[in-house]
Amino acid sequence: DTAVSQTPKYLVTQMGNDKSIKCEQNLGHDTMYWYKQDSKKFLKIMFSYNNKELIINETVPNRFSPKSPDKAHLNLHINSLELGDSAVYFCASSRRTSGAYEQYFGPGTRLTVT
Amino acid sequence: AQTVTQSQPEMSVQEAETVTLSCTYDTSESNYYLFWYKQPPSRQMILVIRQEAYKQQNATENRFSVNFQKAAKSFSLKISDSQLGDTAMYFCAYETSGSRLTFGEGTQLTVNP
Repeated sequence: DTAVSQTPKYLVTQMGNDKSIKCEQNLGHDTMYWYKQDSKKFLKIMFSYNNKELIINETVPNRFSPKSPDKAHLNLHINSLELGDSAVYFCASSRRTSGAYEQYFGPGTRLTVT
Repeated sequence: AQTVTQSQPEMSVQEAETVTLSCTYDTSESNYYLFWYKQPPSRQMILVIRQEAYKQQNATENRFSVNFQKAAKSFSLKISDSQLGDTAMYFCAYETSGSRLTFGEGTQLTVNP
């Protein structure tokens, strides 16, 4: 059984389009995250939600909008896609907002903007 | 701001040998968590080992162990009896308040047969 799943795994789109990436966890966790991994493999947190509330919002363009319809889902919507948005986006979840609890990562979504 | 530095972009080791990956971090906090994550070619992020800063004892998970030097802000990963399946990118990470993980740049480890 997949603990943290993301759809799609690959996404190729043109500049200017709007796209969404979906994330679901079946672990019963309270906290979910979005991370971005760039072409140099550098990973950086973008957002974090705890019980559907936004608790971390890093310096991310407002073209990126996370939405958490319930504790098990955290979707990422991106408007007006740019070439620089090309990256791998990881969703993760943890039981609570503390390093005492492991973050479980999804398989990642490779976004390519042409 | 907290930073995590991995000074070895690439490393290689022969199968069955031991290798140590380096990591240093910068923080003004006294209580925090440190992690090593592994990312194989499948790109799945896998937690290898975790260390609580308030614990003096170094964490160990089977063939993986850490050398945690709090005063020096150093957190190295030792892999014993290296296996081909250990080939991956390894990331050191630091957890700040609210579970914000800050990652290092990564070390690409190749295990040669």
